[in-house]
Amino acid sequence: AQKITQTQPGMFVQEKEAVTLDCTYDTSDPSYGLFWYKQPSSGEMIFLIYQGSYDQQNATEGRYSLNFQKARKSANLVISASQLGDSAMYFCAMREGGNQFYFGTGTSLTVIP
Amino acid sequence: EAGVAQSPRYKIIEKRQSVAFWCNPISGHATLYWYQQILGQGPKLLIQFQNNGVVDDSQLPKDRFSAERLKGVDSTLKIQPAKLEDSAVYLCASSSADRTPRNEQFFGPGTRLTVL
Repeated sequence: AQKITQTQPGMFVQEKEAVTLDCTYDTSDPSYGLFWYKQPSSGEMIFLIYQGSYDQQNATEGRYSLNFQKARKSANLVISASQLGDSAMYFCAMREGGNQFYFGTGTSLTVIP
Repeated sequence: EAGVAQSPRYKIIEKRQSVAFWCNPISGHATLYWYQQILGQGPKLLIQFQNNGVVDDSQLPKDRFSAERLKGVDSTLKIQPAKLEDSAVYLCASSSADRTPRNEQFFGPGTRLTVL
């Protein structure tokens, strides 16, 4: 089974609108961490936001927030007030207790002026 | 602090040739990862080092790929001989030895390999 599933290969959003990128995960480890990374066309992986499995509140970092639904094993990224510079690939990732890291297949986001 | 360094940034070779990539992690980071990212896909872990020992190399094609981290600091990844399907970006990442889930990976800029 896939550890991380991102079902949206591509998404479009109008500038200044909000967009949600989906991520579901699979683990039996009670202690895990969920990450979102942004990868622009230049190729570097940029860390955006983190959510721990024991965190009571949804994580927020500026315009990024994470809609964490533990029972459904989902960790969707919400980007508010989209900007043209948000156009990139977005990857959801998970770290389990064994220090292993798993990435999803990514979602390509295009912000339309 | 300085980030993860990788070289070269780009490499073009012909199939059956050999190639090597170099990575210098963030100072003090015990864990080093090599990923292969084929165009349009997510990164796939090739090998993970803890200091100079291998933690996971289950997805490393050992008939042609090798990696080492002899002094527990920088690392090299080698492909010998290269195949067309090895065309990809090779990402190096590092993290501290902290085993808590919050322990973030920091990525280098990657090496884009094209095999002709």
